[in-house]
Amino acid sequence: GAGVSQSPRYKVAKRGQDVALRCDPISGHVSLFWYQQALGQGPEFLTYFQNEAQLDKSGLPSDRFFAERPEGSVSTLKIQRTQQEDSAVYLCASSRDGVRNTEAFFGQGTRLTVV
Amino acid sequence: SQQGEEDPQALSIQEGENATMNCSYKTSINNLQWYRQNSGRGLVHLILIRSNEREKHSGRLRVTLDTSKKSSSLLITASRAADTASYFCAPPLPKLVFGKGTKLTVNP
Repeated sequence: GAGVSQSPRYKVAKRGQDVALRCDPISGHVSLFWYQQALGQGPEFLTYFQNEAQLDKSGLPSDRFFAERPEGSVSTLKIQRTQQEDSAVYLCASSRDGVRNTEAFFGQGTRLTVV
Repeated sequence: SQQGEEDPQALSIQEGENATMNCSYKTSINNLQWYRQNSGRGLVHLILIRSNEREKHSGRLRVTLDTSKKSSSLLITASRAADTASYFCAPPLPKLVFGKGTKLTVNP
């Protein structure tokens, strides 16, 4: 595809429900990043992958959050037993090779509202 | 942490004026990137400056980097209402970490 695609764009979940957010990176991009952005705040790093390897998951706020990229392309961020504080925009980004001089391309995000 | 911190947090100017935003970071880096985020959208890469560059231009954007002070600045000249957005700096990959950003408002 032409860019990073995230789905769904909007998700309303009842508290306690599990959700899965999908990210389709630019084809061939090695690195993939997930961020959580609360209203009026900067994107908070959650985790990143190089190919299928999850190299850093230090930003995941709790063990209810889980991310995977099993074949090194599409990634899924899963949130179990959602809580109201999980309400945020979840951004995904990819970069060509993950080395220091390349830029990252972002998707439009998934806005999650937990009611 | 390699997170950059932007300053000021908010900036409001009139169309046609210049806007200057600053970024400070704590660790040694070999490049720094600036991104823009329009309301409700993903981030867009603006410019990357390498540690051996002191200044870089791209259209109406001018970025400086002072590695001795661990700081960078982004200047937008002749601002337009469409420049209204949040601006973030980020030290290099592989781990892309952002600060809170500078929210720029350009009033027509």
